[in-house]
Amino acid sequence: AQSVTQLDSQVPVFEEAPVELRCNYSSSVSVYLFWYVQYPNQGLQLLLKYLSGSTLVKGINGFEAEFNKSQTSFHLRKPSVHISDTAEYFCAVYGFGNEKLTFGTGTRLTIIP
Amino acid sequence: KAGVTQTPRYLIKTRGQQVTLSCSPISGHRSVSWYQQTPGQGLQFLFEYFSETQRNKGNFPGRFSGRQFSNSRSEMNVSTLELGDSALYLCASSLEDSRSGNTIYFGEGSWLTVV
Repeated sequence: AQSVTQLDSQVPVFEEAPVELRCNYSSSVSVYLFWYVQYPNQGLQLLLKYLSGSTLVKGINGFEAEFNKSQTSFHLRKPSVHISDTAEYFCAVYGFGNEKLTFGTGTRLTIIP
Repeated sequence: KAGVTQTPRYLIKTRGQQVTLSCSPISGHRSVSWYQQTPGQGLQFLFEYFSETQRNKGNFPGRFSGRQFSNSRSEMNVSTLELGDSALYLCASSLEDSRSGNTIYFGEGSWLTVV
């Protein structure tokens, strides 16, 4: 079975400071990895995804993530956050074993002015 | 280009009733998947449909069912509603099935409250 762990349920960060949201996964088969953002009362929007190739993936709104196979991690980073980045962020893994998208429990990012 | 459209957006049902939720995918998308989002369980996969066939199903009881029509529109049905079925139900669509890695686009969801 595959699983996703987002250790931090809430992350407060000062505006213009850098942020890293952590994601670890477990899977015995090949995976795709995703980060989604959910703004209040909205659906999810894809930030970035890793399918194959370069382990450093750049996404929208200045976010990037690095796939680390040995540590089974896919941490999300942004060098300077803005108030508009306040949202909930979900890491997800798609495993070729069960062909399902499994989400982490989410990290609520709060930007402090 | 219109996004994924879900109807109704909000509904209240009584225990024991049934409910049908509708999803219109982005034009040209052939894959539709459904997810349940609750504060306690987070986002959980319900099922995926591709070209009118159910490709995969999550760990939900048989009260949860779905279907996809020839125009790729999809419906999900929950029978004999329980209080624990109260949740945000999200529909998502993509061009091809999930194995392709195509970007999945989510609708804004249908908020179901069971009283």
